[in-house]
Amino acid sequence: NAGVMQNPRHLVRRRGQEARLRCSPMKGHSHVYWYRQLPEEGLKFMVYLQKENIIDESGMPKERFSAEFPKEGPSILRIQQVVRGDSAAYFCASSPPRDGTIKQYFGPGTRLTVT
Amino acid sequence: KQEVTQIPAALSVPEGENLVLNCSFTDSAIYNLQWFRQDPGKGLTSLLLIQSSQREQTSGRLNASLDKSSGRSTLYIAASQPGDSATYLCAAPFILGGSNYKLTFGKGTLLTVNP
Repeated sequence: NAGVMQNPRHLVRRRGQEARLRCSPMKGHSHVYWYRQLPEEGLKFMVYLQKENIIDESGMPKERFSAEFPKEGPSILRIQQVVRGDSAAYFCASSPPRDGTIKQYFGPGTRLTVT
Repeated sequence: KQEVTQIPAALSVPEGENLVLNCSFTDSAIYNLQWFRQDPGKGLTSLLLIQSSQREQTSGRLNASLDKSSGRSTLYIAASQPGDSATYLCAAPFILGGSNYKLTFGKGTLLTVNP
């Protein structure tokens, strides 16, 4: 069973461009979480999705950021009109449905650099 | 709202020393607590997960304890090695409702083990 996959691993964008980050959860996992790690800061929750539903997006910036987890395919975190402050490591995690241990499995992350 | 604090922020020890990393959390209604390791520029490696019904969990030279009533967890590393050098993160779940939750991370303890 392959782990959580994220691509690309490194992404460079110029200010004003769009960034699309992809996350493929582990097989059988229907819950996806996105976290952001800004330089010198801890990991912060952004959004929690189940298939075709956003469950909680309390950590998402109000503008420019959106996330989806379609019925088929990976989860996408989309950042429009990127700014330098968006430079960070973005981690995706997944968990199985109604898992009694409530454990999240993390991907390797996408490191976004905005120039 | 769950808040997680880790002390110390950084720790430098000579090889072979036993050490303790501390984590405190404000909301004691947790299902579990998870410890992770993060190497520079890398993703998260799950080390130990302690269920709320457990008091401790062991894996090799690592031992994690959990005291829900006082809102504390400790990670004990025995006979430290230079390869243990990394940032150690603890994470507590914040319950959103039902079985839905998100993880709240501490800022981590940066451990350096000197040969």
